[in-house]
Amino acid sequence: GAGVSQTPSNKVTEKGKYVELRCDPISGHTALYWYRQSLGQGPEFLIYFQGTGAADDSGLPNDRFFAVRPEGSVSTLKIQRTERGDSAVYLCASSSLAGYNEQFFGPGTRLTVL
Amino acid sequence: SQQGEEDPQALSIQEGENATMNCSYKTSINNLQWYRQNSGRGLVHLILIRSNEREKHSGRLRVTLDTSKKSSSLLITASRAADTASYFCATDGQGAQKLVFGQGTRLTINP
Repeated sequence: GAGVSQTPSNKVTEKGKYVELRCDPISGHTALYWYRQSLGQGPEFLIYFQGTGAADDSGLPNDRFFAVRPEGSVSTLKIQRTERGDSAVYLCASSSLAGYNEQFFGPGTRLTVL
Repeated sequence: SQQGEEDPQALSIQEGENATMNCSYKTSINNLQWYRQNSGRGLVHLILIRSNEREKHSGRLRVTLDTSKKSSSLLITASRAADTASYFCATDGQGAQKLVFGQGTRLTINP
């Protein structure tokens, strides 16, 4: 079946602009995660959805970052007033809670803030 | 914050040799997973080992887990050029579903 998909694959924006990043999880996966990866580092957790609700948003760095999953499937990560330090690869993953928390990742969105 | 540390940070070996990467972590875990990443994009799930397991195999991969030492190792046997990638370990636990990653090992297989 289809894996996790993310759009766009690349996004270049200017400092101060608003961006939306989209994630389409594996069909039937109720859990969805956002991570951020800076160059040379491992991914860092941002937020976790169980169904439509954010079960853990402890990784969001500040209130410029927000994510939604209104119908329990597709999720959108929203970043307001982007800063150069937001430049990174944003990764989305999904998992089935029937398993042992194997998380399957999408290809990522590379965000560049000029 | 990073939970674990991979060792070595970089590893370069000849095709056909075995590659061993190590991961250490700090807190108690439920599961430990290994991922491969090519060219800084999506991570490919390789294997998951539960905290009550000590060893697991999948094809050319062998993973061990020592919870007393809070460490894991990933062995890739008979390496191929296509194994060139970064490898990350990730843990979950303490009531949380989120994964906490190490900084990765960059593996280069020389033909």
